[in-house]
Amino acid sequence: DQQVKQNSPSLSVQEGRISILNCDYTNSMFDYFLWYKKYPAEGPTFLISISSIKDKNEDGRFTVFLNKSAKHLSLHIVPSQPGDSAVYFCAASVGGGTSYGKLTFGQGTILTVHP
Amino acid sequence: SAVISQKPSRDICQRGTSLTIQCQVDSQVTMMFWYRQQPGQSLTLIATANQGSEATYESGFVIDKFPISRPNLTFSTLTVSNMSPEDSSIYLCSVLRGGTDTQYFGPGTRLTVL
Repeated sequence: DQQVKQNSPSLSVQEGRISILNCDYTNSMFDYFLWYKKYPAEGPTFLISISSIKDKNEDGRFTVFLNKSAKHLSLHIVPSQPGDSAVYFCAASVGGGTSYGKLTFGQGTILTVHP
Repeated sequence: SAVISQKPSRDICQRGTSLTIQCQVDSQVTMMFWYRQQPGQSLTLIATANQGSEATYESGFVIDKFPISRPNLTFSTLTVSNMSPEDSSIYLCSVLRGGTDTQYFGPGTRLTVL
């Protein structure tokens, strides 16, 4: 059972335009969501997160939107740069209790930003 | 954030042997985790490394196959035992500091089993 899904395996965007990466989840107990970027031969790098009490969080060029009723979140990158080309993973966790800290990851979306 | 190192960065091993992967953090952390990323797949949590006690394993992972140690608050090891080609993966440790919700990952260990 895939509790976190990234339905787009890849996304291609022109430099300077907006990149929108999507993520859906099924477990209504998830209350904290994160986006990671991963380059080949490196570990995932934390980008941005959002708590379920918010619907938007912004950090520089990165904005994450959360729609709890739709169980959907998205990552917007504006403007996109060639250095943003990487695999992007969405992850979710349940705060507190024995599940604290356990991250459930989506399958990843390969973002390619063309100059 | 935290500075996390893993050793080895990569290895090629023979079937039936075992490999121990080390994870070192530059400062004390509350929780440490071990994940696996099989080729073309997402990251899957293997276990939570508990300081001074047995690790907590996720469904599908057992201590005999993936023994874990965490002798202190900055260091942990994961052993992949009696390896088969299906164990070829990237193994990653991650850490969580007390009072925070963000996990930071090490660079990973790329394991190939022949």
